[in-house]
Amino acid sequence: SQELEQSPQSLIVQEGKNLTINCTSSKTLYGLYWYKQKYGEGLIFLMMLQKGGEEKSHEKITAKLDEKKQQSSLHITASQPSHAGIYLCGADYNTNAGKSTFGDGTTLTVKP
Amino acid sequence: NAGVTQTPKFQVLKTGQSMTLQCAQDMNHEYMSWYRQDPGMGLRLIHYSVGAGITDQGEVPNGYNVSRSTTEDFPLRLLSAAPSQTSVYFCASRLDRFDEQFFGPGTRLTVL
Repeated sequence: SQELEQSPQSLIVQEGKNLTINCTSSKTLYGLYWYKQKYGEGLIFLMMLQKGGEEKSHEKITAKLDEKKQQSSLHITASQPSHAGIYLCGADYNTNAGKSTFGDGTTLTVKP
Repeated sequence: NAGVTQTPKFQVLKTGQSMTLQCAQDMNHEYMSWYRQDPGMGLRLIHYSVGAGITDQGEVPNGYNVSRSTTEDFPLRLLSAAPSQTSVYFCASRLDRFDEQFFGPGTRLTVL
């Protein structure tokens, strides 16, 4: 989506290393969502951010939303093979009325 | 709760054939959406619904029809299948318009 840019497109890291995935919106977000997808499966909800400056953590995954509510980052600490998959950010805008926009996804490979 | 269910899981069609992808949810969610996922392109919204009897077009609606006669069901109809419709299709539902989405397992469609 041109409204929502996700980077990098793919990432290969050694097990134990930290990594960051970014999601940038062309306009102010109402809500930002992070999902994870294993190959051939549906999407699993990770976290939702709504307030500027908000930060949430789940196990070794931390997501932040910047103060301007236009950029979010997903940080994984001490990556494990179980973290491998596709990470997608999704966005809601104030005028959306029920429809979301998604980034193109980041494919994460964790080498043991 | 079964969550969001989709049938079939796999389907092969010939160009010009029509078919319906089924989606059902048992969470009493008002909002439902259909997405297609192509390699490197994230999720693109096809159609969405904000309640029974109300549907609207998303980003890529051409060649697809939807209806929402009940809260639970949101079928997607391919009118005359084309090879460009080869994709993985996901159905999702959410309680409110600014809320996490629950995704089905997907339907992998190939059009020859």
